[in-house]
Amino acid sequence: AQSVTQPDIHITVSEGASLELRCNYSYGATPYLFWYVQSPGQGLQLLLKYFSGDTLVQGIKGFEAEFKRSQSSFNLRKPSVHWSDAAEYFCAVGAWGNKLVFGAGTILRVKS
Amino acid sequence: NAGVTQTPKFRVLKTGQSMTLLCAQDMNHEYMYWYRQDPGMGLRLIHYSVGEGTTAKGEVPDGYNVSRLKKQNFLLGLESAAPSQTSVYFCASSYSDRTKETQYFGPGTRLLVL
Repeated sequence: AQSVTQPDIHITVSEGASLELRCNYSYGATPYLFWYVQSPGQGLQLLLKYFSGDTLVQGIKGFEAEFKRSQSSFNLRKPSVHWSDAAEYFCAVGAWGNKLVFGAGTILRVKS
Repeated sequence: NAGVTQTPKFRVLKTGQSMTLLCAQDMNHEYMYWYRQDPGMGLRLIHYSVGEGTTAKGEVPDGYNVSRLKKQNFLLGLESAAPSQTSVYFCASSYSDRTKETQYFGPGTRLLVL
């Protein structure tokens, strides 16, 4: 069965510092991978997605993610974090029939 | 173009009461989904619909029923609410069931069952 692990429940970074959120997945075939962001009191917004091709994927708001098949990982990165990036981030793998399997989420706090 | 909307935003129920959550989308999407979000567990799929008049069970369907009488609406019902159903409920929709299709999420309904 498909599964997604986000090892870090909380991460705190200083504004302007770089960010990396970890995601590991378990899936038998070529995975479709997604990162979503949820701001407080809001729904989920898609940041980026990977299906095939270039393993470095660019998304909105300056985020990027790198797919590494050998490590079963799809880590999210941003070179310089802004206070408005404080939110909860979810990694997900797309299963058959477009059903998403989500990780538990990582809460990002940004300190000034 | 409102996208995906959910009604109500917040509700408090007593154990045993019933209620219906409404999800509406104006993007002419074929597929719609109900998820619940619990701390430390991410989002889990409750039920989904592949088109008007059709529904199917997801990962955690027990205690919930759904209906899709109109393409734009997807209703989630709790016949006899239990405290374990205290959660935030998200509706989503997508154009098709191709795995690469983006799912668009509503703002959520926060439900508290006492």
